[in-house]
Amino acid sequence: DGGITQSPKYLFRKEGQNVTLSCEQNLNHDAMYWYRQDPGQGLRLIYYSQIVNDFQKGDIAEGYSVSREKKESFPLTVTSAQKNPTAFYLCASSPRQGGTDTQYFGPGTRLTVL
Amino acid sequence: GENVEQHPSTLSVQEGDSAVIKCTYSDSASNYFPWYKQELGKRPQLIIDIRSNVGEKKDQRIAVTLNKTAKHFSLHITETQPEDSAVYFCAARDRNTGGFKTIFGAGTRLFVKA
Repeated sequence: DGGITQSPKYLFRKEGQNVTLSCEQNLNHDAMYWYRQDPGQGLRLIYYSQIVNDFQKGDIAEGYSVSREKKESFPLTVTSAQKNPTAFYLCASSPRQGGTDTQYFGPGTRLTVL
Repeated sequence: GENVEQHPSTLSVQEGDSAVIKCTYSDSASNYFPWYKQELGKRPQLIIDIRSNVGEKKDQRIAVTLNKTAKHFSLHITETQPEDSAVYFCAARDRNTGGFKTIFGAGTRLFVKA
């Protein structure tokens, strides 16, 4: 999982602003994922992408958007429509589409709305 | 879709004792069950996984058991050490979306007292 990077580590946003979280992987993985983690809770899926130029909504996609123009990159935009965006955001990737391949996580971005 | 429940939410054990964390899942078609360990402020890291074609898997002090009939799986940590203190998440792979969605439990915070 050392091949997955996220930036920035900490991000502060004013209400009404859009912000973009970066996720890059050099593992040649096909699938990439974005999760949100709130204190004391598990991971909830925001969006996932199986291949380049394709992505699907997860369980809590409202207020978020993504793109997958390159295999290595899967940026997440937190829009002003997201009512409670303060959370820890984790990106993950896995080698192949579907199946039973393990997901490997990036170090996370902690977003705080001021 | 898949639903994963995890118990207990908090577990405190004495160093050297065993710890057991239990999870249940709802979708009998799920066939992959990873366990992740997350230290404070860090990324989740895979510690062990099991596929539905086996009932038990062991890796040193860690073991996982799977009961497909009852749809539950458990993590067993023997001879616990203070460095085992962390949050542990179970997960199940949701086959309804072609295997792309991993559904996580809410987590168990394990405290190992020296």
